[in-house]
Amino acid sequence: GQQVMQIPQYQHVQEGEDFTTYCNSSTTLSNIQWYKQRPGGHPVFLIQLVKSGEVKKQKRLTFQFGEAKKNSSLHITATQTTDVGTYFCAALKPPWDSNYQLIWGAGTKLIIKP
Amino acid sequence: DAGVTQSPTHLIKTRGQQVTLRCSPKSGHDTVSWYQQALGQGPQFIFQYYEEEERQRGNFPDRFSGHQFPNYSSELNVNALLLGDSALYLCASSLDREIYEQYFGPGTRLTVT
Repeated sequence: GQQVMQIPQYQHVQEGEDFTTYCNSSTTLSNIQWYKQRPGGHPVFLIQLVKSGEVKKQKRLTFQFGEAKKNSSLHITATQTTDVGTYFCAALKPPWDSNYQLIWGAGTKLIIKP
Repeated sequence: DAGVTQSPTHLIKTRGQQVTLRCSPKSGHDTVSWYQQALGQGPQFIFQYYEEEERQRGNFPDRFSGHQFPNYSSELNVNALLLGDSALYLCASSLDREIYEQYFGPGTRLTVT
């Protein structure tokens, strides 16, 4: 079945360094969503990407959707302690017009080194 | 505007018992999805309810069942609990036309001993 592979599993950074997580699919995606889950919390919707090659920014966060719509990335510039958490990508399972199930990546945990 | 609420927050059950978890969606939302999240994993889709019917189901056994009420609130029932059912159970609500933008509740932490 369709899977969404997300890497890396963990990323340790110094505060102020950049962070990037990647999601890859073997099949074309209809769209992709990104969520953030703080430690002990629940996932919070960040953004949805729909168009091929789409780039969206939210302050220090930059989201990209690949030209082939098979991969996506989330980049955080100059990380802050408030960025700590696990970032998940999620995509709709095909067939897109009759499916309501989001397939989730395993998440990338952002850890700020003391 | 209240967000998604879930009850209880924590629950401890014994193998073989049955459990019911409850969810009230965000005001105005008509669709409820349930997820199971094991420690260190991403959420796994259990099922989705819309118009009081199970619209889609993930790869979970029939021990997992649910219900949606006319006010859009929902319940998740798990029968014959197994140790492996220990997890965080998340409810997410959305609008039918915007199912990708899901709002999650705080979850119910279920421990099966």
